Order: sequence, then C-alpha cells, then structure tokens
Amino acid sequence: NAGVTQTPKFRILKIGQSMTLQCTQDMNHNYMYWYRQDPGMGLKLIYYSVGAGITDKGEVPNGYNVSRSTTEDFPLRLELAAPSQTSVYFCASSHREYEQFFGPGTRLTVL
Amino acid sequence: AQRVTQPEKLLSVFKGAPVELKCNYSYSGSPELFWYVQYSRQRLQLLLRHISRESIKGFTADLNKGETSFHLKKPFAQEEDSAMYYCALMGGSQGNLIFGKGTKLSVKP
Repeated sequence: NAGVTQTPKFRILKIGQSMTLQCTQDMNHNYMYWYRQDPGMGLKLIYYSVGAGITDKGEVPNGYNVSRSTTEDFPLRLELAAPSQTSVYFCASSHREYEQFFGPGTRLTVL
Repeated sequence: AQRVTQPEKLLSVFKGAPVELKCNYSYSGSPELFWYVQYSRQRLQLLLRHISRESIKGFTADLNKGETSFHLKKPFAQEEDSAMYYCALMGGSQGNLIFGKGTKLSVKP
C-alpha cells in the first residue's frame, strides 16, 4: 500500500495563476481532508469529504475548491493564487473517526 | 471555541532525562485527543490517542479533564525522539482534527 500520495512535492506559482494539488489514497477510506500549515503554526482544515460526491468547508476554505468524484482522489484547486496561500498543504484520509493517515505534503510558494 | 494550546515551541533535553510536552485544550463535551509526531523528512503520523491508553515508544499521555490537559510524557528521552510533536483534538462528527502549533523536541547526546 502506498497510503496517501500527494503531487507535486514543491511548486512555485505567480500571483493569479491556478493549480491543482493532487491527493490519492489506496486504503478505501471514506474520509479525506485537506490541511494547510503556515510557518510556526498548527495545521488548519481547508476542506473535507466524508465520501465520494460529498464535500464541505473547513476552517479556512476561501480561495480553494475541491471535488470528490471517486473514493481514492481528493484534489484541491487554487483558482487565483495569492501570496497568502504560500504554505505547506497536507492531505489526509481516515476510516471515519479513527487514525488519520497523512500524505508527505506539498510546499507551495506564491510570488 | 475548540482550541488546542501547546505552550512550548521548543523543548531541549539531554538523553536519559524525563520529557513532558504540554498540551491544553478547550472543548465543550467529551474530548478525543491525539498526539501526532513528525520525524525529520517523514510524514506526520499518529503516536498515540487517549482512548487507547497505551504506551508507544515509551510515551504516555493522560487525559486530565479537570485541568483540560493531555500532556505527553516519557521517563527517559532518547536521541531518536527528536521530532515535532503535535497535540490534536477531534473537532466534530466529520472527524477533522484541530491541531496545536507543535513543540519541537530536541534530545541532545
């Protein structure tokens, strides 16, 4: 099992550009999450999904969109990148309220 | 408001010394608390959860509802314990975690 995989590992964007952060899990988990971690801060929830076709906003959803067309994939979309979105992004999955498994993270810089 | 506070950014101890990483929480209800750890160049992973009442790698954590604390302890620190430690609270029915800012533990030889 690969667990939770994320691509890309690093990305530099210009202000106003768009991109999609990919997240895939092979554990057949229904629950998936996107967090961001700013320097010196804890992780904050952006969006989450409790199953294919179901998504909802977390604590910091502005500037992002998600979709969940399959159980395995949970991509995060940035439409108009802003410097405030410079962060490390973590995807996670779980079987409901049990242990969350994290991906390795994507380090995004917006200049 | 649901919140997790880790008051120490950095904790530095010598090998063999006791370690206590502090975590306080704010939650109306029965909390479910976790400690996650991130070793250098590795992904974030679960260390322990209070429901399990188990000891992992010599670490234990006791939930103290009166003091709203969930401190992580180890009697004798090892160099391989050096890592970032995050205390987390399960925030709702959707299973998301509310994280503290983390404490960097450095164990010196």
